[in-house]
Amino acid sequence: TQLLEQSPQFLSIQEGENLTVYCNSSSVFSSLQWYRQEPGEGPVLLVTVVTGGEVKKLKRLTFQFGDARKDSSLHITAAQPGDTGLYLCAGEGKKSSGDKLTFGTGTRLAVRP
Amino acid sequence: EPEVTQTPSHQVTQMGQEVILRCVPISNHLYFYWYRQILGQKVEFLVSFYNNEISEKSEIFDDQFSVERPDGSNFTLKIRSTKLEDSAMYFCASSDQLAGGPYEQYFGPGTRLTVT
Repeated sequence: TQLLEQSPQFLSIQEGENLTVYCNSSSVFSSLQWYRQEPGEGPVLLVTVVTGGEVKKLKRLTFQFGDARKDSSLHITAAQPGDTGLYLCAGEGKKSSGDKLTFGTGTRLAVRP
Repeated sequence: EPEVTQTPSHQVTQMGQEVILRCVPISNHLYFYWYRQILGQKVEFLVSFYNNEISEKSEIFDDQFSVERPDGSNFTLKIRSTKLEDSAMYFCASSDQLAGGPYEQYFGPGTRLTVT
C-alpha cells in the first residue's frame, strides 16, 4: 500500500513569511501532483512533477520532486492571505495508463494579514 | 477553460435507498475516476474507468457500488443501498495522457452525500 505523509499538518503564518510543505513516502511514484482544496470544493490541480530532481515554479510557489521520486516539497515565498487553503500532494503509481492517485494527509495553511 | 461538472451538489437520502451521482468529465478525456472524502479525512480512490470498463477499484468499491457511462458525456456512480458510512463528498475526476507524460487528473466540485 502506497502512503503519502505530509508535514506539517497545520501551519499558521504571518503575511510575507516563507514556508515549506513536505510530502514523503517510502514508495516510488511515476508522477506527483499538488492540489489546493477550498472547503466544500474539489481539489484544484496546481502542478505535476515527473522527473526525479525536477523543480517547477508557479509564481511564488516552487515545487520539487525528490531525486528518488519518493518525496516532494512545496515552498511558498512571501505568503499572502490568498494562499490560505488545504494543500494536497497526490502520487500516481503507474505510468502505463491512467492510474489512481494516492493522496497525502494534507497541510492546512492559514496566512494572517 | 474545460471543467468537470457534477450533479447534484448535495444529496440527502435515507439509509437503504439507491442514489446516483452524476458527472460530466472534460470532453476529450478518456480516463474517468471516482474518489470520496469523508469529512476531515483523506481523499480516497474508489474506481477508475477506461474504454467502457473498470480499470481498477479499491476495497471500498464493493458490490453496492457501480459505475456507468450511459452516453458520450455522462459518467455515473450508483450506490444501490446506502449506509450511514457512505456519507461523504464524492468527487469525479477525468484525465488524458500528456504527450509521453503523466495523466493529470482534474476534479469536479463534488457531491455531498448525506445518508440519514
